[in-house]
Amino acid sequence: RKEVEQDPGPFNVPEGATVAFNCTYSNSASQSFFWYRQDCRKEPKLLMSVYSSGNEDGRFTAQLNRASQYISLLIRDSKLSDSATYLCVVNIWDMRFGAGTRLTVKP
Amino acid sequence: ETGVTQSPTHLIKTRGQQVTLRCSSQSGHNTVSWYQQALGQGPQFIFQYYREEENGRGNFPPRFSGLQFPNYSSELNVNALELDDSALYLCASSPDRAFGNTIYFGEGSWLTVV
Repeated sequence: RKEVEQDPGPFNVPEGATVAFNCTYSNSASQSFFWYRQDCRKEPKLLMSVYSSGNEDGRFTAQLNRASQYISLLIRDSKLSDSATYLCVVNIWDMRFGAGTRLTVKP
Repeated sequence: ETGVTQSPTHLIKTRGQQVTLRCSSQSGHNTVSWYQQALGQGPQFIFQYYREEENGRGNFPPRFSGLQFPNYSSELNVNALELDDSALYLCASSPDRAFGNTIYFGEGSWLTVV
């Protein structure tokens, strides 16, 4: 079983849609959690941290359920510029990345 | 814009050869990690250096080795290249040991092994 598993996608949605990504992790010793965004052939960039209480950054909402070892990312009112691969990341000692979920937002 | 630069950006090597990839971090960033990202996969942790000493290692063979220098630069060396080593190699730095919000990636080095 992979340490961090994500929906493989791809997700193809129209502009304005709401889309949700799911992620599970296997190591209960995981300390911190993140979503990174990676554009085609570019380096990953931090999108947001994920806290147990849930957190929101504009159109993006992240949730963490430690009991279920589950992380989610919700994107509301999708924009064309949201098209990218979204990586779920878990910090144990080092950063462990999921394989990513590719999102394409279409006009 | 992250202050982390990598070189070369692209290179092609032949199976069995050796390669050295370089990374220059921001001043004061004492921790550097290297990742391998194969096509369609997420980045996989290779190893981490803190103040010039290896501080953790992922599931990669000994032919993957590294160095970190006092001037905040570092190297990833791969010996006896195999076709499966073809990937994007990412360097990431941080001012301290606690990765998280403060991790900064370089743009990566694309390695093709033929």
